[in-house]
Amino acid sequence: AQSVTQPDIHITVSEGASLELRCNYSYGATPYLFWYVQSPGQGLQLLLKYFSGDTLVQGIKGFEAEFKRSQSSFNLRKPSVHWSDAAEYFCAVAPRGRRALTFGSGTRLQVQP
Amino acid sequence: NAGVTQTPKFQVLKTGQSMTLQCAQDMNHEYMSWYRQDPGMGLRLIHYSVGAGITDQGEVPNGYNVSRSTTEDFPLRLLSAAPSQTSVYFCASSYGGTDDNEQFFGPGTRLTVL
Repeated sequence: AQSVTQPDIHITVSEGASLELRCNYSYGATPYLFWYVQSPGQGLQLLLKYFSGDTLVQGIKGFEAEFKRSQSSFNLRKPSVHWSDAAEYFCAVAPRGRRALTFGSGTRLQVQP
Repeated sequence: NAGVTQTPKFQVLKTGQSMTLQCAQDMNHEYMSWYRQDPGMGLRLIHYSVGAGITDQGEVPNGYNVSRSTTEDFPLRLLSAAPSQTSVYFCASSYGGTDDNEQFFGPGTRLTVL
């Protein structure tokens, strides 16, 4: 069965510092890959997605993610974090041709002033 | 467009009560789904539908029923609520094309079962 691992439950960074959130997946074939963000009390917003092609994907709010097939990873990065980035971040995968998402357990990001 | 809407936002039930969580979308999406979110577990798929009249089970379907009589609506029914169903419930929808899997999520319903 497919699985998604986000090894960091909670991360704290200083405003202006760089950020990397880790995501590893276990799957028989390369799935569709997603990062979602959830602000407190809100629904989920799609940051970026990878279907095929260029392994470095640009998303909204200055985020990017890199797909590494050899490591089964899809890590999320941002060069300079803003206080408004404080939220919970979810990595998700879906089989090609299907829509059912499997989510990681999430990483909660705190931003220190 | 209102996107994906869910009602109610909050609900408290007693064990054994029944209720329906409502979900509607105005984007003419074929695919709709229900997830539950529990602390430390991310979101887990309950049921999904690929079009009107077609539904299927997800990862955690027990205790929940769904039906899809129209493209717009996808209600989730709890026939006899249990404390284990205390959770935040999200509805999502997406287009029918196989190469576009972006799902749009509603704001969620926070359910407490006492």
